[in-house]
Amino acid sequence: GQNIDQPTEMTATEGAIVQINCTYQTSGFNGLFWYQQHAGEAPTFLSYNVLDGLEEKGRFSSFLSRSKGYSYLLLKELQMKDSASYLCAALDSNYQLIWGAGTKLIIKP
Amino acid sequence: GAVVSQHPSWVICKSGTSVKIECRSLDFQATTMFWYRQFPKQSLMLMATSNEGSKATYEQGVEKDKFLINHASLTLSTLTVTSAHPEDSSFYICSAREPRETDTQYFGPGTRLTVL
Repeated sequence: GQNIDQPTEMTATEGAIVQINCTYQTSGFNGLFWYQQHAGEAPTFLSYNVLDGLEEKGRFSSFLSRSKGYSYLLLKELQMKDSASYLCAALDSNYQLIWGAGTKLIIKP
Repeated sequence: GAVVSQHPSWVICKSGTSVKIECRSLDFQATTMFWYRQFPKQSLMLMATSNEGSKATYEQGVEKDKFLINHASLTLSTLTVTSAHPEDSSFYICSAREPRETDTQYFGPGTRLTVL
């Protein structure tokens, strides 16, 4: 079956760095997405990786290892507004998005 | 990134009535749109995939006669919740696939439905 695993909840301190991991098992693979979802709002697109390696975009970076079925989202210089759920989703061979349950990130002052 | 709008943002209706929710891709053409439902503190649940000009594909357990989907144009998909009941109260979110951006899904702002 197809499966996405990510931690349910993480806590970090304002100004620090946090890494949110995601492992996936899908029928075929056409890339991995990270979305941010604040409470009561719809998800917003953060990143897309299809090749191995690290993609940096400001304070946020996303890494992919296809051979390991593994990705992480790295958030630097954490701000209180980064408190949100972070959703990992893999695109399978049929170009269907398989969603993880999301990681709730709590930022403390 | 691409922009997707959704209307209405919130709606309150009486049990037994029908509610229509619109999803529009504003600056791109979307041959495929998706409808999700999300209950409080739970993850997104895909309800159906909407393809322009053809019937929607519903996920297992989603009643197609209750949740009517129409994708009449490349920029508009509608979800109609028929004979709504209190258990249909939820956050409904649409997304549209942007084919020029590696099929990235962009989400509308969501519609919060409350059925009394």
